Amino acid sequence: DSGVTQTPKHLITATGQRVTLRCSPRSGDLSVYWYQQSLDQGLQFLIQYYNGEERAKGNILERFSAQQFPDLHSELNLSSLELGDSALYFCASSVQDLGTDTQYFGPGTRLTVL
Amino acid sequence: GNSVTQMEGPVTLSEEAFLTINCTYTATGYPSLFWYVQYPGEGLQLLLKATKADDKGSNKGFEATYRKETTSFHLEKGSVQVSDSAVYFCALCSNDYKLSFGAGTTVTVRA
Repeated sequence: DSGVTQTPKHLITATGQRVTLRCSPRSGDLSVYWYQQSLDQGLQFLIQYYNGEERAKGNILERFSAQQFPDLHSELNLSSLELGDSALYFCASSVQDLGTDTQYFGPGTRLTVL
Repeated sequence: GNSVTQMEGPVTLSEEAFLTINCTYTATGYPSLFWYVQYPGEGLQLLLKATKADDKGSNKGFEATYRKETTSFHLEKGSVQVSDSAVYFCALCSNDYKLSFGAGTTVTVRA
């Protein structure tokens, strides 16, 4: 158990809908990262927050957004969903935002768009 | 940009065999290097890491050495067990904070 929690574990929805994925980092960790894992694109970095502020952005679509709240939990919002958004979404956390920090991963949320 | 290339799988081995998974990288600056493992139905777990050249990371019998001259971080284990069956990801983290992952190598160990 990494100490990072993600809810829900599974999510099934329809095209055009909007969903919110939630992540609670390990106690004491200030950075939260979101990754997408799909069969065709592998593991892709989406976005990072550090202590409530956006720190780095990767291949995140404009239909997707995220935020980190004062209690440090984070939410990833996916809207106007398409079939291709079906994937496993991971949240990770680390103590700070250094390149040497270990990122600890949650169990993931499996999103299925029908 | 940063990228990681690891050997394609799947790799199938017998128990007690020697395992090597090759990983090479391209990065600006001096990245930290990681191996993560994903067991069936689970999230990613850190297996080992190295933060500077010539560092050796080790854990659970696995080892990898950060080779700057060959830009490599190959994963090795001397005697694998059935419980080592998983997908292994090589990754790097540079000044841009994000982890860049290889495509993953599926390893299956037969009893």
